[in-house]
Parts: sequence; structure tokens; C-alpha cells
Amino acid sequence: DAKTTQPNSMESNEEEPVHLPCNHSTISGTDYIHWYRQLPSQGPEYVIHGLTSNVNNRMASLAIAEDRKSSTLILHRATLRDAAVYYCILLRPPGNTGFQKLVFGTGTRLLVSP
Amino acid sequence: EAGVTQSPTHLIKTRGQQATLRCSPISGHTSVYWYQQALGLGLQFLLWYDEGEERNRGNFPPRFSGRQFPNYSSELNVNALELEDSALYLCASSLGGDSRPYEQYFGPGTRLTVT
Repeated sequence: DAKTTQPNSMESNEEEPVHLPCNHSTISGTDYIHWYRQLPSQGPEYVIHGLTSNVNNRMASLAIAEDRKSSTLILHRATLRDAAVYYCILLRPPGNTGFQKLVFGTGTRLLVSP
Repeated sequence: EAGVTQSPTHLIKTRGQQATLRCSPISGHTSVYWYQQALGLGLQFLLWYDEGEERNRGNFPPRFSGRQFPNYSSELNVNALELEDSALYLCASSLGGDSRPYEQYFGPGTRLTVT
């Protein structure tokens, strides 16, 4: 499994934007970048994913570096409900000898203050 | 649209017994995944089913087994329960196919306690 590196924790104030970085210098050409989060006492929740281009959805935006060796998850206006552990995960298409298993590293614990 | 459902919510068994956990995927999803999350630990991949077949399994002993039914629901069976099997068991589902890794949607989990 390709490795990702994230800061252990970050802090934000409510209503402010949050940029969560992820380094994946050993990413291969077929690896997709997926982000999940886990709120306290809940199962993981899918946030967003991308391959090469920046992506937006109702939850967040994903900015992918041109060389794909890093990416940033952007929460445009943090709320208290966004306090969670965020995981950056690389996944390969199953047909390319990839397995559809999520491997969660330590992630980034996001603290949001009112 | 209904999400992934799991039953039961809680399950208490004694050592040596068997446990059966059930999962219903989101309508239209053909892949089902099982994960174990022990207290204070990260998710550990258990099993992946797609179109009724086991596609991959994690590093767990054979007493962890499962199956996927024609309606894509799935069952996880744990035989000869041990105390360390106590954990939250999470089921996730996704679209199937090999073209890209699809996002997984998780159910609320089954809390298994082995005494």
C-alpha cells in the first residue's frame, strides 16, 4: 500500500477555512486520492476523491498538486460537526492488481473551536 | 435513499460461541466490505465481496468467514469466539467494477462483546 503522511493534529475556529495537507510522494500513476473522516464514536465517512484534477463536492474541495505528490483537503467554513480525524488514502483500481481495502493511517485530528 | 444497515446493533457472546453479523448495502451497490475496529485501534480490513464472490481477505484467521447473497447483502461469521474478537464490526458498500476504486459508504456497525 502506498504511504501517505499527514500532520497529527490541526486546529481551526468555526466559520474559518481549513486546509488539511497530505503528502504521498510514492504515488503511482493509477492511484486515486481518497479522503475519509471519522467522527467520535462513528464509522468512517467518505468525503471526496480525485485522480489528477481538483475536485469539489458539497462537503469539501480537493486540491491536487501538479506532480500529484501531495494534496490538500479544503473545508471552506469549518463547523463544530467537522471535528473529526481525517484520513488521506491512496487506492488503485481493483482491476489493476489493486485491492479495495481502505488502510487508515494515523490521520489528522481536526479540532474546531467555537 | 437508505444507507448501509447492519444488524444487530449489539451482540454479546461467550468465548467459544459463534457470532453472525449481517449487512445490507445501499441499493445498487454490489461490493460489500467488512472491517474490524478494536477499541482504540484503527480499522482492520477483513473481507471484500463483489457480485457474490470473495475478492480479497485481510490477515485474519479462517474462523472469520462470510458470504454475499444474490441480493448483495452479506453475512460475517466468527467461529470459536475469543475475547480479543470484541470490537466494532463495520460494513461498507460501494459500486462494483474494476475501472476505478469506488468510494465506500459505512454502516453504523455491530458492537460485538465476547465474555
